[in-house]
Amino acid sequence: DVKVTQSSRYLVKRTGEKVFLECVQDMDHENMFWYRQDPGLGLRLIYFSYDVKMKEKGDIPEGYSVSREKKERFSLILESASTNQTSMYLCASSSGQGAWTEAFFGQGTRLTVV
Amino acid sequence: KQEVTQIPAALSVPEGENLVLNCSFTDSAIYNLQWFRQDPGKGLTSLLLIQSSQREQTSGRLNASLDKSSGRSTLYIAASQPGDSATYLCAVKEDTGKLIFGQGTTLQVKP
Repeated sequence: DVKVTQSSRYLVKRTGEKVFLECVQDMDHENMFWYRQDPGLGLRLIYFSYDVKMKEKGDIPEGYSVSREKKERFSLILESASTNQTSMYLCASSSGQGAWTEAFFGQGTRLTVV
Repeated sequence: KQEVTQIPAALSVPEGENLVLNCSFTDSAIYNLQWFRQDPGKGLTSLLLIQSSQREQTSGRLNASLDKSSGRSTLYIAASQPGDSATYLCAVKEDTGKLIFGQGTTLQVKP
């Protein structure tokens, strides 16, 4: 079974802190994604990576950065956490661009910024 | 820009009913469409994937169809059970590899 693992289920951070959310997948997938999910707004793409060291901005990249130094790991960085970044963060991975490629999600990280 | 819409936003049915969830998308140039289930506070679980060249996929009591030319997909759930209560999301995969999600349909199946 494909496994996508996010480092924390719940996280509480203070305003202004630098926050790292880690995601690891074990299926050698090329593509990895970071989404945030908020009530009434659905899943919104923050950043997308299609290969090591490659990244693309999604719909809401402001206030975030990402790092992909190894194929299996995709990190989301909140440079200076703010209360409006309190949200559920979801990581996903999929293989390449073929029509047969299924996306798999981690269990989510509920981040609260106080 | 691709937009994905799911109707209805919420649905409540008695146990045993058959039901249909709808998903529509604006750009037919997709690689595939995937249906997911999400339980409260959890991540997404993949249910079915339909490739762009396929018309439908089945898994147990679930059947998903795809009409790419009209930009529509449906998820049919047969003989619904209380354990089916969850939020169901559809997502289309673009040629860039990006996944674009609908806002989901929250289903409640009453015993």
